[in-house]
Amino acid sequence: DVHLLESGGGLIQPGGSLRLSCAASGFTFSSYAMSWVRQSPGKGLEWVSLIIGSGSDKYYADSVKGRFTISRDNSKNTLYLQMNSLRAEDTAVYFCAKARRGHSGSWFDYWGQGTLVTVSS
Amino acid sequence: DIQMTQSPSSLSASVGDRVTITCRASQGISNYLAWYQQKPGKVPKVLIYQASTLQSGVPSRFSGSGSGTDFTLTISSLQPEDVATYYCQKYNSAPLTFGGGTKVEMK
Repeated sequence: DVHLLESGGGLIQPGGSLRLSCAASGFTFSSYAMSWVRQSPGKGLEWVSLIIGSGSDKYYADSVKGRFTISRDNSKNTLYLQMNSLRAEDTAVYFCAKARRGHSGSWFDYWGQGTLVTVSS
Repeated sequence: DIQMTQSPSSLSASVGDRVTITCRASQGISNYLAWYQQKPGKVPKVLIYQASTLQSGVPSRFSGSGSGTDFTLTISSLQPEDVATYYCQKYNSAPLTFGGGTKVEMK
């Protein structure tokens, strides 16, 4: 069975940094693109970033470009999101999602349970 | 960037009703569209991809149609377990934008 487990969320002050991790199991991790999607309290889904299976291509939403960095370690079956210069509006549950394909043109067929990031002083 | 607009933002319907949710892309995206269901307090789940292909295990009362800029998710006979928020998402190219969501409630 596919399993995605996020970690690394918490309370952080504005301007701070945080690194999220997503441990994946149950599939050939390097064959699939992976993404981060966030959901602010009571709001809709917002796509944040995607990295293709090989890790060579990365994509970002304009709202996080230049502040967030997505990466993956295929030897550890783990996806990461380094978040810098955090703002109050980054407060959200961050979901790790597996793409159905190895490239960017894919929907998401599995989601983790999410990790809450709260940016507040 | 392509914007995804869903309507309505919420609706209330009775058990057995036919429910239709629309999603409009600001530019053509062929059939690169997925629909997700998110029940209260739960993780999103894919219902339909490629605009009209039902994900394995999803009840057949759900169906999708459309191509280009206009898409529809239909629930043929609403059931109590269908209370949820539904999102469309384009995936032809990044950014992989979601629609604003449609909250479906039971009357």
